[in-house]
Parts: sequence; C-alpha cells; structure tokens
Amino acid sequence: DTEVTQTPKHLVMGMTNKKSLKCEQHMGHRAMYWYKQKAKKPPELMFVYSYEKLSINESVPSRFSPECPNSSLLNLHLHALQPEDSALYLCASSQDSISGNTIYFGEGSWLTVV
Amino acid sequence: AQSVTQLDSQVPVFEEAPVELRCNYSSSVSVYLFWYVQYPNQGLQLLLKYLSGSTLVKGINGFEAEFNKSQTSFHLRKPSVHISDTAEYFCAVSAATGTASKLTFGTGTRLQVTL
Repeated sequence: DTEVTQTPKHLVMGMTNKKSLKCEQHMGHRAMYWYKQKAKKPPELMFVYSYEKLSINESVPSRFSPECPNSSLLNLHLHALQPEDSALYLCASSQDSISGNTIYFGEGSWLTVV
Repeated sequence: AQSVTQLDSQVPVFEEAPVELRCNYSSSVSVYLFWYVQYPNQGLQLLLKYLSGSTLVKGINGFEAEFNKSQTSFHLRKPSVHISDTAEYFCAVSAATGTASKLTFGTGTRLQVTL
C-alpha cells in the first residue's frame, strides 16, 4: 500500500474550469514532487518542493500552479487546461531532495480535459 | 545530463521462466540507478536501487540487478517469473552529485507473463 495519498483518483474538467489535485504523505518526508505521465510513456518531472519551497519547475505552463501548504500536503491547481493536458498526474515524496533517496509515488490522479 | 535506454518495449515470457529486462544509461558524471514497477492503473513502486558498493543489488519480489560500469548497464533479472509480475518496468537514473533528486526514466518495458 502506498503511503502517498492522492485525491481525486479521477477528474474530468472542461477547459474553462478551475480544479485542484491533492496529495498527502505522513512519512515525515521533506521533498514532494509532481510528475505527469501520458499513456504508454514514462513519468516526466513537473515540480519539486524541498522543505515547502519550490526548488524545481521544469518549465511547466502557468496553467499548472503548485502549492505546498505544509510539509505533508501538496496541491496542483489547474486552470484553463487543454485536452493535451489529459494524463495521469503522480505525486511523490522522499526524505529530502538529495539525489539517491528513494522516491515514493502515489497511485495518481487521472485527469481528462474535455 | 543523463539518459536511459530500454531497448525492449515488450518482453513476453512464460510463467516460471527466467527473464532479463535491459537498461543502458549515459552520463558524464557518476549516477544512481533505479528500477521501478508500475502495475496497471497504479503508481510506481521501487523494486531496487544502486547507489554504491556491491554491483549486484537484490530487490523486492525476487528481482535483482547488476550494475556494470564498463558497459553502462543495469539489467534487471528474475530467475522465475509469476503471472503477477505482468507490469510495466521503468529503469531510471539520477546524478550522484547535486542536491536535487531528479529522476530520468527510460521509456519502459512491458513484461507480459503467460501460462
């Protein structure tokens, strides 16, 4: 069982909607991540938070807005998305953002933009 | 920058047969290597990782991998597969230096185990 919990598991939204994906971990990890995975493709890193501060933004469009309210929570706010943004969004966490630490993934949120 | 190549997009194998999933990497710096498994409609789970030390790494579910620096490879093996091993397997690499844990994934290998 994953210890990274993501909600909702499935989300369908229109291109003018505003919605949010939520992620929670209670492992005491201080690094949290958002990955995007298209069908039959590998995950691609979007954002890294380290000690609640955004440390990496992989040139993600501004229609995706991450937020880390505290060390256990990570949100991804979605606004004015395009159909090509439909994908599995994976949240992950690790003890810290030092290379080599195991990254634990949640089960993901399936997003469909119509 | 680092890159990972998984040459086999699909590997069909019969139950109880051995299997090897191939992974080669490219990097100008020292690296850490990982194998993750993704079951249908689920997130990724770490099978094993190589950071340093013994080049033979044992992981969960009976999998093991061997780090070969001269061949820049990190192939995953299992001596006898089970139906439940059917899944997508991703090899990943990160630079051993620096402060950001940025994983670069290969394109994945679909392991299909049949009776």
